[in-house]
Amino acid sequence: GAGVSQSPSNKVTEKGKDVELRCDPISGHTALYWYRQSLGQGLEFLIYFQGNSAPDKSGLPSDRFSAERTGGSVSTLTIQRTQQEDSAVYLCASSQTGTGAREQYFGPGTRLTVT
Amino acid sequence: GENVEQHPSTLSVQEGDSAVIKCTYSDSASNYFPWYKQELGKRPQLIIDIRSNVGEKKDQRIAVTLNKTAKHFSLHITETQPEDSAVYFCAASRTGYSTLTFGKGTMLLVSP
Repeated sequence: GAGVSQSPSNKVTEKGKDVELRCDPISGHTALYWYRQSLGQGLEFLIYFQGNSAPDKSGLPSDRFSAERTGGSVSTLTIQRTQQEDSAVYLCASSQTGTGAREQYFGPGTRLTVT
Repeated sequence: GENVEQHPSTLSVQEGDSAVIKCTYSDSASNYFPWYKQELGKRPQLIIDIRSNVGEKKDQRIAVTLNKTAKHFSLHITETQPEDSAVYFCAASRTGYSTLTFGKGTMLLVSP
């Protein structure tokens, strides 16, 4: 079946502009995660959605970052007034619901470059 | 919160050798420990995971060991092949939570 998809695959933007990154999780997966991957920095957790519960926003680095998930499926990560340090690959993942942690399936990522 | 340390950051081995990557975690409540492999330019994929009720798990050439007392777990790859070359990430999750805390990754290079 279809895996996690993300768009765009690449995004180049000027400093100060806003960007929106989209994630389509695997159908039926109620949990959705956003991560940021910078060179040599591993996978940095940003935000987690689980069903209709309030999202866990504890990983968002500043108030310029926000995310929403509409209808329990598609999610959009928005970065306002982008800065050069926001340049990274943004990965989305989804997993099935259940007790405790389950395997997370990752999308291909969006490479964001802020010039 | 949880903190996961991963070593080494890079590892070079000859084809056929074994490779070991080690991780330590700080939260004694963590009970789920997956390993992800990320090939160059591709997305991370789960290769093996272990829960705290077992000390070791094997899947063909890969194995993971867990020492809950010392709060560390390791990935073992035997008979390495060039296609094992990738970045490997360990992670930890605590009871009742689904979010993962990842290590910074180990770049494994297997030379023919």
